[in-house]
Amino acid sequence: AQSVTQLGSHVSVSEGALVLLRCNYSSSVPPYLFWYVQYPNQGLQLLLKYTTGATLVKGINGFEAEFKKSETSFHLTKPSAHMSDAAEYFCAVSEGFGNEKLTFGTGTRLTIIP
Amino acid sequence: DGGITQSPKYLFRKEGQNVTLSCEQNLNHDAMYWYRQDPGQGLRLIYYSQIVNDFQKGDIAEGYSVSREKKESFPLTVTSAQKNPTAFYLCASSILGGGVTEAFFGQGTRLTVV
Repeated sequence: AQSVTQLGSHVSVSEGALVLLRCNYSSSVPPYLFWYVQYPNQGLQLLLKYTTGATLVKGINGFEAEFKKSETSFHLTKPSAHMSDAAEYFCAVSEGFGNEKLTFGTGTRLTIIP
Repeated sequence: DGGITQSPKYLFRKEGQNVTLSCEQNLNHDAMYWYRQDPGQGLRLIYYSQIVNDFQKGDIAEGYSVSREKKESFPLTVTSAQKNPTAFYLCASSILGGGVTEAFFGQGTRLTVV
């Protein structure tokens, strides 16, 4: 069985500061990992994904995440927060290859302080 | 434009009524999914389908039913047996196999029991 833990249901950072959203996973098979963003009353939009290969993954809007197998982590970062980054962020895991259903974390609401 | 269309955006249900949420995709994806979102609980899988006329229960299927008569359509019925149906419902689709691909999401339907 797979699971995802997102530490911190709410994170606040100042505009221009580093954004760090934490995600740890549990999987019995090599995981495929995703970060999605959700704006109020909207669907989810993919930020980035890790499948295989390079462990540092770059996504849209200046976000990136690093897959660390030894730490079972896939933390999301952005060097400089922008007001438009305020949203809810979800980390998810799947097995892929015919079993693409996603298991989500509980989400982290990011607030940007002007 | 290709995408996933959910309707209606807002839905109100009286106690004891069944209601059906629509989900249509024109991405030619094989797999479709229904998730339920509650504050602080992330997204939980209700049902998913990988092929026409076949579907599987997810983690919280009780009180829900689905059908997959066409590849493009995956409607969700919230029955009167679902005791706490007020939530945000998200439909998604993905390609199956051939490597790992992400799920694409609709804009959601907010269901409220009145």
